[in-house]
Amino acid sequence: DQQVKQNSPSLSVQEGRISILNCDYTNSMFDYFLWYKKYPAEGPTFLISISSIKDKNEDGRFTVFLNKSAKHLSLHIVPSQPGDSAVYFCAASDNNAGNMLTFGGGTRLMVKP
Amino acid sequence: DTGVSQDPRHKITKRGQNVTFRCDPISEHNRLYWYRQTLGQGPEFLTYFQNEAQLEKSRLLSDRFSAERPKGSFSTLEIQRTEQGDSAMYLCASILGGGNEQFFGPGTRLTVL
Repeated sequence: DQQVKQNSPSLSVQEGRISILNCDYTNSMFDYFLWYKKYPAEGPTFLISISSIKDKNEDGRFTVFLNKSAKHLSLHIVPSQPGDSAVYFCAASDNNAGNMLTFGGGTRLMVKP
Repeated sequence: DTGVSQDPRHKITKRGQNVTFRCDPISEHNRLYWYRQTLGQGPEFLTYFQNEAQLEKSRLLSDRFSAERPKGSFSTLEIQRTEQGDSAMYLCASILGGGNEQFFGPGTRLTVL
């Protein structure tokens, strides 16, 4: 069973607009959530994270929102830039179980100039 | 460069051969993780070490797979009697104990013919 799901395999956005990437999880033991960005033939690059005790974390153009009751998180990128085009992975971990990451299937973001 | 490094970056082998990959984590990172990523999927956890101790192994890690971290620094992942289904990107990540953000290496792309 997929404990972390990204239901949109792809997203296309115009440069300057907002990109919203969504992620759902099922395991209530997850207490830390991360977003990674990945280019082809490279490893994932850490982008932003959020603890389960918070509902929002912001870093520059990137904001992550967490809705624990809905078991849903989202990544907002404002404004979107062509260099943001990549595959974005949502990941979750349980700090009491070794911090191994459970990843979603990824969303390919394309930002058009 | 003080990031996570992996060697080789690419490996092509014939079915039935043994292969070994190496990961050098960020120095002083005491936890090291191995993941596998197949096309169109997110990375999947394989195993992790705290210092030299292997603390968790996924059910994905069949008995043909073995991982070591003999001195608590670099790690090796060996696959014996490779099968075509082993073709994937093998990713290594490290983290400082108590932290949450895992930093990934560039991965080793394995192709089994």
